[in-house]
Amino acid sequence: DTGVSQDPRHKITKRGQNVTFRCDPISEHNRLYWYRQTLGQGPEFLTYFQNEAQLEKSRLLSDRFSAERPKGSFSTLEIQRTEQGDSAMYLCASSLAARGYTFGSGTRLTVV
Amino acid sequence: AQKVTQAQTEISVVEKEDVTLDCVYETRDTTYYLFWYKQPPSGELVFLIRRNSFDEQNEISGRYSWNFQKSTSSFNFTITASQVVDSAVYFCALSGGNNNDMRFGAGTRLTVKP
Repeated sequence: DTGVSQDPRHKITKRGQNVTFRCDPISEHNRLYWYRQTLGQGPEFLTYFQNEAQLEKSRLLSDRFSAERPKGSFSTLEIQRTEQGDSAMYLCASSLAARGYTFGSGTRLTVV
Repeated sequence: AQKVTQAQTEISVVEKEDVTLDCVYETRDTTYYLFWYKQPPSGELVFLIRRNSFDEQNEISGRYSWNFQKSTSSFNFTITASQVVDSAVYFCALSGGNNNDMRFGAGTRLTVKP
């Protein structure tokens, strides 16, 4: 499989718990992006990495959110002290320079 | 600021009809990229097309065609002879010249009835 992989596909967590999602981009892609999509809306940009450097973060990314991309390979997105408003689909995408993004299937988070 | 507007929230057509999905964008960048993505019920975003701001040629790919007009800041998408499998949410998106982040419209839900 040469696409973008995300794990897990679904996550149900209790409010206040921490969750971590993983994204494995296409191996030769140097850019990696995280987006969040709520029901009935388009994806919203969260953050972007070029190799291992996190170059841009959206205002949507509160201090409860942190993303890493060690060694410029896979990336993790952690949400601490989850709130019900965090329930959404979290999408990862990768690209090579300025070309079109390839999206993963997403991780659907439900906070109960 | 960059913004993408897809005014059509939902469209319903009967199979074999042609349908056009509208997209209007705002940007101050002179170099930018426009995209269309399809999101079927399975949820995965499927890349359809990328167009840079210097290329205003219309493009046709099978039953799909795109009309890019800088004068009206529009990048419309037409499906000819629609099929049931075209039913999905379609997103128009815009990124700046560095392609660092992509701004999506709210999407248009297309339903093609048999």
